[in-house]
Amino acid sequence: SAVISQKPSRDICQRGTSLTIQCQVDSQVTMMFWYRQQPGQSLTLIATANQGSEATYESGFVIDKFPISRPNLTFSTLTVSNMSPEDSSIYLCSVEASGIWGEQFFGPGTRLTVL
Amino acid sequence: SQQGEEDPQALSIQEGENATMNCSYKTSINNLQWYRQNSGRGLVHLILIRSNEREKHSGRLRVTLDTSKKSSSLLITASRAADTASYFCAPLIQGAQKLVFGQGTRLTINP
Repeated sequence: SAVISQKPSRDICQRGTSLTIQCQVDSQVTMMFWYRQQPGQSLTLIATANQGSEATYESGFVIDKFPISRPNLTFSTLTVSNMSPEDSSIYLCSVEASGIWGEQFFGPGTRLTVL
Repeated sequence: SQQGEEDPQALSIQEGENATMNCSYKTSINNLQWYRQNSGRGLVHLILIRSNEREKHSGRLRVTLDTSKKSSSLLITASRAADTASYFCAPLIQGAQKLVFGQGTRLTINP
């Protein structure tokens, strides 16, 4: 399995500001994913980030609100833009392991609180 | 909805007992994965079972899959306090390379 780190681990932000979350993997991976977990809820996929192409967003998520970068095969960022209290969530990145198709491993998450 | 749906939503047992959690889904899958989440942290990958497998073991974990019933179960034997967590199943929908998560089962192991 891959070792995944995220920065920051948590943050408290003011409404109207933006936060960029970093996801670093210890090996090269093709597929990276960003999820949101609102308080007490399940995980919802925000977008799939492939290196060298635009991220693919799920219904209900748009690039202007959640811009994603994927500059290489070990790194990705998710920005939460123009934040409101409703954006308070845990944001998790995951990667697809190279061994088994579709097997995903998750980072430790970023706990975001918006005041 | 194509969610994996876990049952029960919450389970509280005594240490040493076995815990069984169930998962149902609605469409054809390539595989189904189980995860554990402690106190709102990241998800720990527990086990993956392919659609052509019926049972899989990993330590104290036993996972079954019944594709005809579109259901899976996770059994944790000889539970420990450290098993207290939320458990999620995540089917990988056939034809799509994404996981869909249910609400999870909150498992509490009482000492």
